[in-house]
Amino acid sequence: AQSVAQPEDQVNVAEGNPLTVKCTYSVSGNPYLFWYVQYPNRGLQFLLKYITGDNLVKGSYGFEAEFNKSQTSFHLKKPSALVSDSALYFCAVRIFGNEKLTFGTGTRLTIIP
Amino acid sequence: GAGVSQSPSNKVTEKGKDVELRCDPISGHTALYWYRQSLGQGLEFLIYFQGNSAPDKSGLPSDRFSAERTGGSVSTLTIQRTQQEDSAVYLCASSLGSQAKSSPLHFGNGTRLTVT
Repeated sequence: AQSVAQPEDQVNVAEGNPLTVKCTYSVSGNPYLFWYVQYPNRGLQFLLKYITGDNLVKGSYGFEAEFNKSQTSFHLKKPSALVSDSALYFCAVRIFGNEKLTFGTGTRLTIIP
Repeated sequence: GAGVSQSPSNKVTEKGKDVELRCDPISGHTALYWYRQSLGQGLEFLIYFQGNSAPDKSGLPSDRFSAERTGGSVSTLTIQRTQQEDSAVYLCASSLGSQAKSSPLHFGNGTRLTVT
């Protein structure tokens, strides 16, 4: 079985401050981890992924995420938040050999001007 | 088109009626997925296809739900005898699947289903 937890339903950050959106996972095997973003009235868009190699992965719009195997976490980060980053963020996991991608419940990020 | 196309974008139906939701994936994508997103909820996995076969149907909520894919392309999700709890946004996604390890999913804009 595979699962993802996003412990925060809502995260508020002041514009210009660093932001973190948390994600932990549970899988049997090596995980493939993904972050997706959903802007209002738009479809989900792929942000970044971790497959193997460097634990710090960089993605679109200045976002990055750090894979931590010992803590089974894959937190999304950005050094300086923009108001336009306000959206719903989803973490997702799958394992090699299984195409099923399991999503977390999402975290609503609000950047306060 | 270049992206995943879903139709209709909105569907209002009466309780007890059947509905069909259509998904046209990106050309060349062998994997196709259906998810459901209810208000305030995350993405609930329904089913995925590799080619025309469905290796994992574990997410279908009941036997009122079925899906098929023909020609390795278009997919249809059918809900029979709709209930109010079926109201949600139904999302379709496609990917390169086993052709490319860890390829990301590309999502359509969804079909918003309202059962009255």
